Amino acid sequence: GAVVSQHPSRVICKSGTSVKIECRSLDFQATTMFWYRQFPKQSLMLMATSNEGSKATYEQGVEKDKFLINHASLTLSTLTVTSAHPEDSSFYICSALSALPGFNNEQFFGPGTRLTVL
Amino acid sequence: AQSVTQLDSHVSVSEGTPVLLRCNYSSSYSPSLFWYVQHPNKGLQLLLKYTSAATLVKGINGFEAEFKKSETSFHLTKPSAHMSDAAEYFCVVSVAAGNKLTFGGGTRVLVKP
Repeated sequence: GAVVSQHPSRVICKSGTSVKIECRSLDFQATTMFWYRQFPKQSLMLMATSNEGSKATYEQGVEKDKFLINHASLTLSTLTVTSAHPEDSSFYICSALSALPGFNNEQFFGPGTRLTVL
Repeated sequence: AQSVTQLDSHVSVSEGTPVLLRCNYSSSYSPSLFWYVQHPNKGLQLLLKYTSAATLVKGINGFEAEFKKSETSFHLTKPSAHMSDAAEYFCVVSVAAGNKLTFGGGTRVLVKP
């Protein structure tokens, strides 16, 4: 149980285009989802926190107009990188959390999406 | 504010020997502490977590960690390394409000045959 998927696993796009990444909780309802960014050989940095049906909360320094997050249902959150540039190339990871008993507030992580902007 | 420092960016061990991954944390409140493992092309997997219960925490795959408040440390150990333990390990701290996780810089473990 507690599986989180991401789609696509890899994406290559041209500079100036937009890319959408999906994060799904497959077997549980996620009250909160998180988006992280990981540069090569570096740690994960939290980008934003999203709760179903409300606006995402972005961390300091993260451009909300560039990284659009939608959490339309309890099992799906999307991250759209708008007008992507080469410096946006990175590994994007989502996690999902359920407030239900038994989940112990544990975040379950997706496998990540590698974005390459040419 | 909270932060995590992993003292070693790389650790190399021989198969069958002990593994020690060091982690120090800083937190204004009583923290929850975690160790995650990241294998290539796989999602982060929780090894173990400390949430103010027993200070010695046992996790999966033979790993354990000890919470030492006086030293603000949460070092991860395993008595005997296996080839499958080769991966990136992250020490993580969380303060209850908002469930935000702060990751350490990571330690890459290499296991030699």
